[in-house]
Amino acid sequence: QMQLQESGPGLVNPSETLSLTCTVSGGPIATYYWAWIRQPPGKGLEWIGYIHDSGTTRFNPSLQGRVALSMSSSKSQIFLRLRSVTAADTAIYHCARFPYADWLDPWGQGIQVTVPS
Amino acid sequence: QSALTQPASVSGSPGQSITISCTGTSSDIGSSNFVSWYQQHPGKVPKLIIYEVIQRASGVFDRFSGSKSGTTASLTISGLQAEDEADYYCCLSGGTRILFGGGTKLTVL
Repeated sequence: QMQLQESGPGLVNPSETLSLTCTVSGGPIATYYWAWIRQPPGKGLEWIGYIHDSGTTRFNPSLQGRVALSMSSSKSQIFLRLRSVTAADTAIYHCARFPYADWLDPWGQGIQVTVPS
Repeated sequence: QSALTQPASVSGSPGQSITISCTGTSSDIGSSNFVSWYQQHPGKVPKLIIYEVIQRASGVFDRFSGSKSGTTASLTISGLQAEDEADYYCCLSGGTRILFGGGTKLTVL
């Protein structure tokens, strides 16, 4: 059964770059799209972006210019970089498989990232 | 403000049926079958329950069903149970973006 695990720093200073890794086990990553989603405390889900190993990437227009995605199929990892963070970027960050650019399943457990104000 | 509109809250008694709506426009929900629904219990990871408007995800009880009419997608839960109390999110994909609804808190009275 495929499993996803996010990792990275739980605290990022304002104006710095948030870097997270999603490690996938239990299946290959090359076939699918992979997405990042975040959830600010007490709020709803927000799509960040998605990537396919063909090089295709798409991003939420609200984050365009600050976000980058990459992946390593050999390491079964997907990477998120979000630069110039502010307190508004405080959230739980999830990665999820986005097979065929259709639905999101499974999801990683998520990682809490805090940007102090 | 989310591009997909859901009611903030719905409630129902055990055994009853409830429906959560997700309203978009003719250019998103109205022209796509890539609508999915997610259930999220407090402090837990969102769980896929419906995909492609009407398809139940593996292991999801048939009390959960999805539908679409025009620019509104709907999630219906029949035979409400206490464990159904959670937040529910609709999601539209396809094209070059993913859109989530604002979420609906379901309370089982």
